[in-house]
Amino acid sequence: GDSVTQMEGPVTLSEEAFLTINCTYTATGYPSLFWYVQYPGEGLQLLLKATKADDKGSNKGFEATYRKETTSFHLEKGSVQVSDSAVYFCALTGGNQGGKLIFGQGTELSVKP
Amino acid sequence: KAGVTQTPRYLIKTRGQQVTLSCSPISGHRSVSWYQQTPGQGLQFLFEYFSETQRNKGNFPGRFSGRQFSNSRSEMNVSTLELGDSALYLCASSLEGTGWYEQYFGPGTRLTVT
Repeated sequence: GDSVTQMEGPVTLSEEAFLTINCTYTATGYPSLFWYVQYPGEGLQLLLKATKADDKGSNKGFEATYRKETTSFHLEKGSVQVSDSAVYFCALTGGNQGGKLIFGQGTELSVKP
Repeated sequence: KAGVTQTPRYLIKTRGQQVTLSCSPISGHRSVSWYQQTPGQGLQFLFEYFSETQRNKGNFPGRFSGRQFSNSRSEMNVSTLELGDSALYLCASSLEGTGWYEQYFGPGTRLTVT
């Protein structure tokens, strides 16, 4: 079945460092890909999305490009801030799966001043 | 516009009991999905409801059930609780149930089974 694999955390960075969180997927058909973020004690928020190959999703300085040839959707940010500390989830939904999101295990990011 | 609300936020139950969790979607949203989040298994899809019909179901035992009302509010029920059911239960709503529409998540209900 469809699945998502993302790099394990926790990831600890200094403020203004470059961030990459790797995400690869296995899916039949043409999934849509997402990054969600979860701040402590809160639900998930959609960070960015890409619905077809070569699309680049971007939001709040974060970017990810839908790479069909490598089945990847890596999350990047050029300069992280302390406020970016959270858990990040890569997810996909298949073509006919409606609201069913399949999530990776999550990567905890901690940014130190 | 009010966000997705879930009640209660915290719940403590004993093994063998049953529990009902409630989710009120954003006004106008007709699709509601439920997820279980645990440290070991991560985020797992439970089921999705659209216009009072279950459209999709994850791989959970029959003890987990849900329903959706005509106003799109949804409830999920877990019968005969087990220790392993301790988790954060998240509800998400979206405008539609086909194709892809942004899902908005509630803050979750933290269930502890003792």
